[in-house]
Amino acid sequence: GQQVMQIPQYQHVQEGEDFTTYCNSSTTLSNIQWYKQRPGGHPVFLIQLVKSGEVKKQKRLTFQFGEAKKNSSLHITATQTTDVGTYFCAGQGSNYKLTFGKGTLLTVNP
Amino acid sequence: DTAVSQTPKYLVTQMGNDKSIKCEQNLGHDTMYWYKQDSKKFLKIMFSYNNKELIINETVPNRFSPKSPDKAHLNLHINSLELGDSAVYFCASSLDSNDYEQYFGPGTRLTVT
Repeated sequence: GQQVMQIPQYQHVQEGEDFTTYCNSSTTLSNIQWYKQRPGGHPVFLIQLVKSGEVKKQKRLTFQFGEAKKNSSLHITATQTTDVGTYFCAGQGSNYKLTFGKGTLLTVNP
Repeated sequence: DTAVSQTPKYLVTQMGNDKSIKCEQNLGHDTMYWYKQDSKKFLKIMFSYNNKELIINETVPNRFSPKSPDKAHLNLHINSLELGDSAVYFCASSLDSNDYEQYFGPGTRLTVT
């Protein structure tokens, strides 16, 4: 079945440093979504990437979808304490199912 | 105002009991989901309903039975609870079963003792 690997599992940064999390799928995806879950909260949708090679930006967040539509990354520039949380990628294949990566827990030291 | 709501928020029960978790969405979405998030934060889909019809049924013990009385509601009933069922259960909904963002409920933290 479809597998989505995400690294790193944990990342601790000083405020102001950059952060990147990477996602790799075992199969070609129709789209990839990114979610953020604050501690004690629920996953909240950030963005969806559909096209091969797509790059989208949301303020300090940059999302990329690989040319082969099997990998993706989320980069945060100049992290802030409000960025703390677990970032999940979720890949959708040919069926209806969204397969989540195991997430990257980001902690930020002020 | 709440888009996806779940009750209860916390559930503490003993092994062997039967319990239900309820979910409602007021977004007018056609598709609803149940996810299980374990202690390591791994989010795994359990079930999905599209317009009251089951479309995803992952490898989940038969003790778990979803029910969708209408497209705005998706409930989860669990029989003979086991220690390993302890987790946070999230309900979610999306416009339909195609590639649309999912809106998650606040979660139900189930603790089985």
